[in-house]
Amino acid sequence: AQSVAQPEDQVNVAEGNPLTVKCTYSVSGNPYLFWYVQYPNRGLQFLLKYITGDNLVKGSYGFEAEFNKSQTSFHLKKPSALVSDSALYFCAVRDNGGNKLVFGAGTILRVKS
Amino acid sequence: GAVVSQHPSWVICKSGTSVKIECRSLDFQATTMFWYRQFPKQSLMLMATSNEGSKATYEQGVEKDKFLINHASLTLSTLTVTSAHPEDSSFYICSAPGLGLYEQYFGPGTRLTVT
Repeated sequence: AQSVAQPEDQVNVAEGNPLTVKCTYSVSGNPYLFWYVQYPNRGLQFLLKYITGDNLVKGSYGFEAEFNKSQTSFHLKKPSALVSDSALYFCAVRDNGGNKLVFGAGTILRVKS
Repeated sequence: GAVVSQHPSWVICKSGTSVKIECRSLDFQATTMFWYRQFPKQSLMLMATSNEGSKATYEQGVEKDKFLINHASLTLSTLTVTSAHPEDSSFYICSAPGLGLYEQYFGPGTRLTVT
């Protein structure tokens, strides 16, 4: 079965510093990977996806993620964090053969000024 | 981009009553929609897949008779929590596959509180 793991419950970073939110995956077949962000009491917003092609994927709001097949990772990154980036971030993988998404546990990102 | 709406955004009901939550795709058609449940500070758990014109597919452990799903049109799916109890209090989120490749578009969620 497809699964993703987000090893950090929370990541703290100072405004202006680079940020990384980690995600590792376990899949059979080709991985279709996603990052979503959730603000309090809101639904999820799509940030970016990896389907195929370049390992470095660029997404919304200045975020990017690097697909690393050998390390089975898909870490989310941003060169310079903003306080407004503080939110809950989910990594997800598409279930084989369908449109279902399997989500990681989520990582709270706190950016302090 | 594709927009998914939910109504209501929050609802408080008494134990034993039923509550209906609507999920609409506003600018695209969705033959499939997904219903998730999210507890505070936890991940999303897929409850069921709603299929237009046919029965929903429920995930293991989800009570079909308690969480009734109807997908009567290409733009509307409804989730009815029947005989609600306080343990049903949660954040319910729907999503629909978009026109693009593989991503899903999520509704803003519905906060249900059962007293």
